[in-house]
Amino acid sequence: EPEVTQTPSHQVTQMGQEVILRCVPISNHLYFYWYRQILGQKVEFLVSFYNNEISEKSEIFDDQFSVERPDGSNFTLKIRSTKLEDSAMYFCASREGAPQYFGPGTRLTVT
Amino acid sequence: AQRVTQPEKLLSVFKGAPVELKCNYSYSGSPELFWYVQYSRQRLQLLLRHISRESIKGFTADLNKGETSFHLKKPFAQEEDSAMYYCALYTGNQFYFGTGTSLTVIP
Repeated sequence: EPEVTQTPSHQVTQMGQEVILRCVPISNHLYFYWYRQILGQKVEFLVSFYNNEISEKSEIFDDQFSVERPDGSNFTLKIRSTKLEDSAMYFCASREGAPQYFGPGTRLTVT
Repeated sequence: AQRVTQPEKLLSVFKGAPVELKCNYSYSGSPELFWYVQYSRQRLQLLLRHISRESIKGFTADLNKGETSFHLKKPFAQEEDSAMYYCALYTGNQFYFGTGTSLTVIP
């Protein structure tokens, strides 16, 4: 069964550095999402992406964040200048209709 | 406006006891409702969707349009059911997740 994949599984970076989190959605899916989960807390919606543009974003998704689908398979989340509070698990999800299917997550640690 | 409400942040039950995780939604159209489960430090996995009316791992959920609810139930909780449970609403355009209920099954 096809799955959403994410790389890396764990990323450690210094405050102020740029990071790019990568996701490979399920191949025939058209809608893509990023979610964030701070350790021990709920899953929070960041952004949804369809037809090469952002369709919705939360207030968490400020100017430090951007998303891109650079080719036919990858979907990336970039954080321009990381802060300590960006430390979290980042989940990618994709769907064709419903339901959404989630990736295994990337644990981002900002030191 | 909060479209999906899970009123219990934490829920503890004893092994073998019945469990019910509550979910209420707000949507004027025809909703599609889902339950997702997240075991410790893992991805969210689809557990149930109301359309399929199936039972997975002993869990069932019935959509009650009159009460706008989609509560998740299991008659006899098991230790391996300890996890985070998220209710989700699909409006045909967007997904909305509840804040989650952390279920702990006490041996």
